[in-house]
Amino acid sequence: LAKTTQPISMDSYEGQEVNITCSHNNIATNDYITWYQQFPSQGPRFIIQGYKTKVTNEVASLFIPADRKSSTLSLPRVSLSDTAVYYCLVGEVGGFKTIFGAGTRLFVKA
Amino acid sequence: DARVTQTPRHKVTEMGQEVTMRCQPILGHNTVFWYRQTMMQGLELLAYFRNRAPLDDSGMPKDRFSAEMPDATLATLKIQPSEPRDSAVYFCASGFGGGKLFFGSGTQLSVL
Repeated sequence: LAKTTQPISMDSYEGQEVNITCSHNNIATNDYITWYQQFPSQGPRFIIQGYKTKVTNEVASLFIPADRKSSTLSLPRVSLSDTAVYYCLVGEVGGFKTIFGAGTRLFVKA
Repeated sequence: DARVTQTPRHKVTEMGQEVTMRCQPILGHNTVFWYRQTMMQGLELLAYFRNRAPLDDSGMPKDRFSAEMPDATLATLKIQPSEPRDSAVYFCASGFGGGKLFFGSGTQLSVL
């Protein structure tokens, strides 16, 4: 499983766009990239998953450059309720072992 | 809304006692995971099952932890005997593999 590196923490203000970048230099050809969000006292929640280029859903966008050695989770116009820990994971397509790193603690201020 | 259900939500016990945590995965999901979360270690993968068969339990202390799936609707995690260092939040998650998991609300365990 490829190791991931994310910033430990980030601060933002309400209404801003937040971009969290994850490095995964050893990503393999069969690996996908997944992001989770975790609020205090809750389990992690799946946000978005992608393999290459750009993926967008109602919550976020995921940008993956051609070399796939990094990815960026983009949260448009964050609100106070987006304060959470965000995890980047890399795993094999069709695989099962799902390992979480330390995550990025995002704090959104008013 | 389908969800993963974990019981109990909170458990306080004394060192040496047996602790059993239960998880009802989302109906139809074929993969079940157990995680432990602490401030120091973050989210640790303890064990996971596919189609009720254990695939990997290398993250568990074997001498005191055991995980089973008696049937497709129930997964259990047992600690015997419990120790203060086992205090943590234990999460169960289910899915079809491929990295997309659905987590329960967790069991907050305190071992005194």
